[in-house]
Formats: sequence, C-alpha cells, structure tokens
Amino acid sequence: AQSVSQHNHHVILSEAASLELGCNYSYGGTVNLFWYVQYPGQHLQLLLKYFSGDPLVKGIKGFEAEFIKSKFSFNLRKPSVQWSDTAEYFCAVNANDKIIFGKGTRLHILP
Amino acid sequence: SAVISQKPSRDICQRGTSLTIQCQVDSQVTMMFWYRQQPGQSLTLIATANQGSEATYESGFVIDKFPISRPNLTFSTLTVSNMSPEDSSIYLCSVDRVATEAFFGQGTRLTVV
Repeated sequence: AQSVSQHNHHVILSEAASLELGCNYSYGGTVNLFWYVQYPGQHLQLLLKYFSGDPLVKGIKGFEAEFIKSKFSFNLRKPSVQWSDTAEYFCAVNANDKIIFGKGTRLHILP
Repeated sequence: SAVISQKPSRDICQRGTSLTIQCQVDSQVTMMFWYRQQPGQSLTLIATANQGSEATYESGFVIDKFPISRPNLTFSTLTVSNMSPEDSSIYLCSVDRVATEAFFGQGTRLTVV
C-alpha cells in the first residue's frame, strides 16, 4: 500500500533561516504529490503540487519542492523563513484516486 | 475550486451516543472522502464515499462504527456511532478532483466525554 513518510516531526528555526522538510513516498506507479499547510486554528490549504513536467515546483509564499523520482522524494524548501510560517506541514500523495497524508511536521519559527 | 461546508463545527457528546456530521459541496463531485485527524496526528483516511454505491472503508475502519451516506453528488454524512473518548478527534470532509488537488471542509471537532 502507498505511504508517505515525513522525516521531521518538529522543527524549530530562527527567522531568515533556510528550511528543508523531507518527504518520501512509497508507490510504484504515477503519483501526484502535494504539500499542505495548516496554520494554527485554520483548515488545511494547499502550498504546492506536482503532477508532471518540471520537477521543481514553486508554490505560494516562497515555498518550493523538488520531485526526485529515483529517490521517491518530494522535499519542501524555503530559502528564508518568516515567523508567519509557523504551522504544520503535511506531505501527501494522490495514488489510486485517494490522497494519503504523512504524519506532518510542526514548524516553529522563533522571532 | 470547491467550497465545502461541514456541520456541526464542533460538538461535545456523551459516550455511547452517536453523532452525524454533514458535508455539503457547492458543486457536483464524484468522490467524497472522510478523514480523521486525532490530536497531534496526521490525517487518516476513513473511507471514500461514491454516490450510488457503498462507501469503501480503509483498514481499521468499519461501516458499523462509521456509517456513511452519499445520497447525491453534493452531499454526504458520516456518523460516529457508539462513541467513546478515543473517538475525540477532528473529522474532515474532502473532495478530490483527480489530478488537481483536495479541498477540505473546516472540520468537525468532536469531544467525547
């Protein structure tokens, strides 16, 4: 069965630091990949998505992610984080017509 | 995009009772999904609800505990039956246009006492 692994459960960074959150998935077929964000007290919203084409995907708020097929990875990056990026981040894969989520990474940015 | 409305937004229920959560979408969709997000956990897919057929449940979830209705292409309900404190969670309705993205309702925060 398909699964999604997020390596970091809790990340603490200072403002302006660079961010990389790891995500690996297991599925042998064609996948669509997503990163979702959940700000405190808010519902899930889409940061970015990959379906095909350029493996480097740019999303909202300066986030980007790179799909590396050989590594089954879809890591999320941001060169310089802000305090407002404090949130929980979920990697997800759409395979077999259903979306499976990773366990999430709680990101805390220190002002 | 899709706008999803869930009711109730939150509830506190006695153990042993049942709660039905409603999900309304502003457009017709083939598949609707129900997720559970337990405190500090990720989203776990409970079941997929297709109109006109029985819901498909994921491992660990059964119809007797989480009966689902899907009477038309814009509406679904999830019932949490015979509740216990372990059922305290956020329940989320989602629609997923294949090859686009998933849209979520605001969730139903359930506390069982």
